[in-house]
Amino acid sequence: GNSVTQMEGPVTLSEEAFLTINCTYTATGYPSLFWYVQYPGEGLQLLLKATKADDKGSNKGFEATYRKETTSFHLEKGSVQVSDSAVYFCALSDRDLGKLTFGQGTILTVHP
Amino acid sequence: GAGVSQSPRYKVAKRGQDVALRCDPISGHVSLFWYQQALGQGPEFLTYFQNEAQLDKSGLPSDRFFAERPEGSVSTLKIQRTQQEDSAVYLCASSLTDRGTSPLHFGNGTRLTVT
Repeated sequence: GNSVTQMEGPVTLSEEAFLTINCTYTATGYPSLFWYVQYPGEGLQLLLKATKADDKGSNKGFEATYRKETTSFHLEKGSVQVSDSAVYFCALSDRDLGKLTFGQGTILTVHP
Repeated sequence: GAGVSQSPRYKVAKRGQDVALRCDPISGHVSLFWYQQALGQGPEFLTYFQNEAQLDKSGLPSDRFFAERPEGSVSTLKIQRTQQEDSAVYLCASSLTDRGTSPLHFGNGTRLTVT
């Protein structure tokens, strides 16, 4: 079956530090890959996506590249802000149905 | 509103009570999903509707869980004879199409606490 593994959290960084959150997956077929973010008190929001190998998703300074050879979709940002503090979820979807399988989430806290 | 709306926001139930959780998806969205999110975990799939048809209910943990979407719009997740292990946040999400490339739009969830 499908599964997603994220790096253990929580992650604590100073403002303007570089961020990497690792994500690897196991899937049958060719899934689409997503990063969702959950800000305090809010619902899950799509951050970025990639639908095929070597695609790079990007949004709000965050990037992730779909690496089929390493089955990975690591999230990166060059300079984090306090407002990036949130829980980040890596997910994959069955290409035909859109059913999402999520990782366990990584809590990110950014200090001024 | 433009987003997915869920009610109630919080629900406290005594063990053994029945509960009903409501989801109003974005108008015109074909696909509707229910997820269960335990504390400190990622959401886990419960069930999926394409319009009014329930195409996948493989994630429902027991026959105490039942979901419906009779007119292809609003959906209700019902849990009968609630147990403490049912305590979680229940998330509803909708998607414009039934394809895997179409992102899901999530509601804020209903936090269920069973005492």
